[in-house]
Amino acid sequence: GAVVSQHPSRVICKSGTSVKIECRSLDFQATTMFWYRQFPKQSLMLMATSNEGSKATYEQGVEKDKFLINHASLTLSTLTVTSAHPEDSSFYICSAGEATVSGANVLTFGAGSRLTVL
Amino acid sequence: AQKVTQAQTEISVVEKEDVTLDCVYETRDTTYYLFWYKQPPSGELVFLIRRNSFDEQNEISGRYSWNFQKSTSSFNFTITASQVVDSAVYFCALSEALGNNDMRFGAGTRLTVKP
Repeated sequence: GAVVSQHPSRVICKSGTSVKIECRSLDFQATTMFWYRQFPKQSLMLMATSNEGSKATYEQGVEKDKFLINHASLTLSTLTVTSAHPEDSSFYICSAGEATVSGANVLTFGAGSRLTVL
Repeated sequence: AQKVTQAQTEISVVEKEDVTLDCVYETRDTTYYLFWYKQPPSGELVFLIRRNSFDEQNEISGRYSWNFQKSTSSFNFTITASQVVDSAVYFCALSEALGNNDMRFGAGTRLTVKP
């Protein structure tokens, strides 16, 4: 089945530094990937849609300059949290859709990346 | 706009009990997809089922079963003879329109199965 790899799984950084999280589709191509954020004991909130070869589409309230998304190839999207602060500490999850016969995608999720900003 | 409601925040059962997790959704589209995902303590999301809006057949997979009722906009999930390994957070999700995989999640239900 489809596999999405997310790296790193855990990262701890100092306030003010930038952190990059990678999301790779291992055995399929994904023109679209999605980035979610999950606070403790809360649901997943869609942050942005990552589009291969073009700009990401951000959800309302998500700062595009804060959360830089790059989707340079059909198998890789990256999320960079710039100048991270403690309030950015969260669990970040990516997903990618593999097209099916019906045309509708079933999303496969990465294992998530837990960011802790000190 | 689409919305998914999981009214049960936390459920605790004893092993071997049956448990039903509720999911109610709202959408204006006639074509949509409903999902259930399991999130164990490790954090990864495990896909359980996808159901499209035109298929109201209930589904059974081992100890898991799903009841899709368009009339009440519900897509409930039942675990029969629960086990400790079933302990996790379960998310119901909705994706509108064919080919649109922008998925919105419910708040999740934390299931604890005690031995």
